[in-house]
Amino acid sequence: AQSVTQLGSHVSVSEGALVLLRCNYSSSVPPYLFWYVQYPNQGLQLLLKYTSAATLVKGINGFEAEFKKSETSFHLTKPSAHMSDAAEYFCAVSPMIYNQGGKLIFGQGTELSVKP
Amino acid sequence: GAVVSQHPSWVICKSGTSVKIECRSLDFQATTMFWYRQFPKQSLMLMATSNEGSKATYEQGVEKDKFLINHASLTLSTLTVTSAHPEDSSFYICSARFGGRARADTQYFGPGTRLTVL
Repeated sequence: AQSVTQLGSHVSVSEGALVLLRCNYSSSVPPYLFWYVQYPNQGLQLLLKYTSAATLVKGINGFEAEFKKSETSFHLTKPSAHMSDAAEYFCAVSPMIYNQGGKLIFGQGTELSVKP
Repeated sequence: GAVVSQHPSWVICKSGTSVKIECRSLDFQATTMFWYRQFPKQSLMLMATSNEGSKATYEQGVEKDKFLINHASLTLSTLTVTSAHPEDSSFYICSARFGGRARADTQYFGPGTRLTVL
């Protein structure tokens, strides 16, 4: 079975500071991993995804994430926070098994606040 | 590319009425669409998986007679909340993924529909 744990339901950083959002996964098979961002009253936008290629994945808006199998982690980082980064971030896992139908299992989400 | 739309973006209805929400993939064919429900400050809960031309697969605990899903074409899936009650008030989000046996499945999400039942 697959599961995702996001450490910290709320993270607050100052503008220009490093953003680090933590995600740990549990999977009995090699997973696909995703980070999505959600702005208030909107759907989810894909930030980046890991699909067994390079372990360091670069996404949109300056975000990147590193897949660490030994730590079962896929933490999201951005070197310098911008006010517009304030949003809810979701980590998700999907098993690399065709007959699982591409289901996504989401973490509980982390709300990122950016202080001026 | 990979744009998903939902209509309406918000709807208010009276208790006991039915509401239909549309999910469309605008620039790609989606053999599979997913319907989620999201409560305030919470994560997304998968309600059902909708495959074009076949019956939807519902997650455990989701009433299939309450939440009717139809996926009649490769670009359109609908969710009908029948005999809606205030507890059905929520944010409903759909997603779609490209067809085929692609292993690198990515779901593209619609903007969501806010349902309020009075």
